[in-house]
Amino acid sequence: AQRVTQPEKLLSVFKGAPVELKCNYSYSGSPELFWYVQYSRQRLQLLLRHISRESIKGFTADLNKGETSFHLKKPFAQEEDSAMYYCALIQGAQKLVFGQGTRLTINP
Amino acid sequence: DADVTQTPRNRITKTGKRIMLECSQTKGHDRMYWYRQDPGLGLQLIYYSFDVKDINKGEISDGYSVSRQAQAKFSLSLESAIPNQTALYFCATSDLQTQYFGPGTRLLVL
Repeated sequence: AQRVTQPEKLLSVFKGAPVELKCNYSYSGSPELFWYVQYSRQRLQLLLRHISRESIKGFTADLNKGETSFHLKKPFAQEEDSAMYYCALIQGAQKLVFGQGTRLTINP
Repeated sequence: DADVTQTPRNRITKTGKRIMLECSQTKGHDRMYWYRQDPGLGLQLIYYSFDVKDINKGEISDGYSVSRQAQAKFSLSLESAIPNQTALYFCATSDLQTQYFGPGTRLLVL
């Protein structure tokens, strides 16, 4: 069964420090993976998708098929990065399977 | 993104009551979804619809029903609400690449 696991419910780092939010998945086939973000009092929105290999707001994520991981990274955290982050993969027919989410707090 | 709207934004109801949550979109997407969000569980898919005549159950459809009244509207109903349906409910639409979420409806069942 397809599954997305985010092992850290909470993650706290200091401003300027590197950030890594972990995501592991199980999927039989070629996965299509995403990171969604939910800032305080805002709706859930797409942060990035692995297919486009883009960097958004300084975040990057590399798909590692050997380790079945899609960790989200940023070299220097900023206070505005504090939010809830969800890793997700697409099942057939555009159904998203979400991880449990990681609440990231950036301390000043 | 005001293209996906949900009403009401907050609702308190009592056990056994029927309640409807509504979702409207102006993005012109055929695909619409209902999720519930619980702390520590992420988002779980309740129902999804690929067009007006297509309705499919998600992971946790028991206790819920939906109606796709038009391309732009997708409603979620709790026929007889129970306390463990207290959660944050999200509607979403999708093109072939991205899902776009509404602001959420916070439901409390007493």
